[in-house]
Amino acid sequence: AQSVTQLDSHVSVSEGTPVLLRCNYSSSYSPSLFWYVQHPNKGLQLLLKYTSAATLVKGINGFEAEFKKSETSFHLTKPSAHMSDAAEYFCVVSKGNTGKLIFGQGTTLQVKP
Amino acid sequence: GAGVSQSPRYKVAKRGQDVALRCDPISGHVSLFWYQQALGQGPEFLTYFQNEAQLDKSGLPSDRFFAERPEGSVSTLKIQRTQQEDSAVYLCASSSRRLANLDEQFFGPGTRLTVL
Repeated sequence: AQSVTQLDSHVSVSEGTPVLLRCNYSSSYSPSLFWYVQHPNKGLQLLLKYTSAATLVKGINGFEAEFKKSETSFHLTKPSAHMSDAAEYFCVVSKGNTGKLIFGQGTTLQVKP
Repeated sequence: GAGVSQSPRYKVAKRGQDVALRCDPISGHVSLFWYQQALGQGPEFLTYFQNEAQLDKSGLPSDRFFAERPEGSVSTLKIQRTQQEDSAVYLCASSSRRLANLDEQFFGPGTRLTVL
């Protein structure tokens, strides 16, 4: 069965420093993986998706993620954090052809000035 | 606007009341999903529609939960005899493809349901 585990419930960084949000997945076959961001009082927004093309995926707002099959990981990174990046981030796997999404528990990113 | 809209944005219900939550997907989107997000948790799948057909309702927590999409566009999630454990944010998402596994789902802002 497909599942994702986000290894940190809360990450705090200083503005201008790198961001690393960790995610491991479990899947019986090549998965479709996503990162979504949720700002307070706003809808979930897709940051990036992996669908078995290039293993390094670039998304919006300078985020990227690398699919590593050997490590079953799909960590999200950004070279330099902005204050506006403070939000809840979800690692997500798609299940089956219908595409219903299985969400991780979320990581709260705090960005300090 | 062009996005997914949901109404009401906030709903307070007394335990035992019935509620109806509405979702207006992006025009022309074939696939429609409902998710439930409890406080401090990630969203959990409830049900899936392809046009007017409800193809997957495996996530509905009990027979008090019912969803419909009679004309293949607007969808309603109904909860009968609400309980305190139903308190959550209910999210609707739509996708343009019939098989949405490779595609982005566009989410609405959610309806926050509080059951007293």
